[in-house]
Amino acid sequence: QQQVKQSPQSLIVQKGGIPIINCAYENTAFDYFPWYQQFPGKGPALLIAIRPDVSEKKEGRFTISFNKSAKQFSLHIMDSQPGDSATYFCAASREGGSEKLVFGKGTKLTVNP
Amino acid sequence: DADVTQTPRNRITKTGKRIMLECSQTKGHDRMYWYRQDPGLGLRLIYYSFDVKDINKGEISDGYSVSRQAQAKFSLSLESAIPNQTALYFCATSETGIREQYFGPGTRLTVT
Repeated sequence: QQQVKQSPQSLIVQKGGIPIINCAYENTAFDYFPWYQQFPGKGPALLIAIRPDVSEKKEGRFTISFNKSAKQFSLHIMDSQPGDSATYFCAASREGGSEKLVFGKGTKLTVNP
Repeated sequence: DADVTQTPRNRITKTGKRIMLECSQTKGHDRMYWYRQDPGLGLRLIYYSFDVKDINKGEISDGYSVSRQAQAKFSLSLESAIPNQTALYFCATSETGIREQYFGPGTRLTVT
């Protein structure tokens, strides 16, 4: 059972565009929703994270939108740049117990010049 | 120096061989993880450890074993490698009570 469903699998935009990556989850006990960014040949690194007590969080050009009732969250990249080309993973975890992260399958983003 | 290091970075081995992937960290974190990444499948947890005496199976532990030799070292072993274990393997660490995980640079393993 896939606990975090991510779409699309790949995405191509032009420089300056606003790519949007979506994730949906089933487990209502999840209370932490991070996005990781991975460049080729590197390990993933935390980009931005949100808790369910807020509907939006913004850090620079990156914004997470969170819809608790729909059990969905998304990543928006404003004014995208070729340097944003990477694979993006959403994830979720719940407090207590192992608190381990459950990852989506990833989205490969290409930003063309 | 990198906070989380993995050795080797690339490895080609034959079916049936035993192989060990090593992870070391200088972050002082208690928690360590091993993930496997396959194209289109994302990151899947193999094993995780919350301290030297605590080892837990993840979602895909079959065919793998681990050893936590010290707080800073966590090794992943493939007792008898098979071709479908060809993948990119990542080690990660986190601090107790903090959900952010820090990933190493990965080991690309090919089993022929």
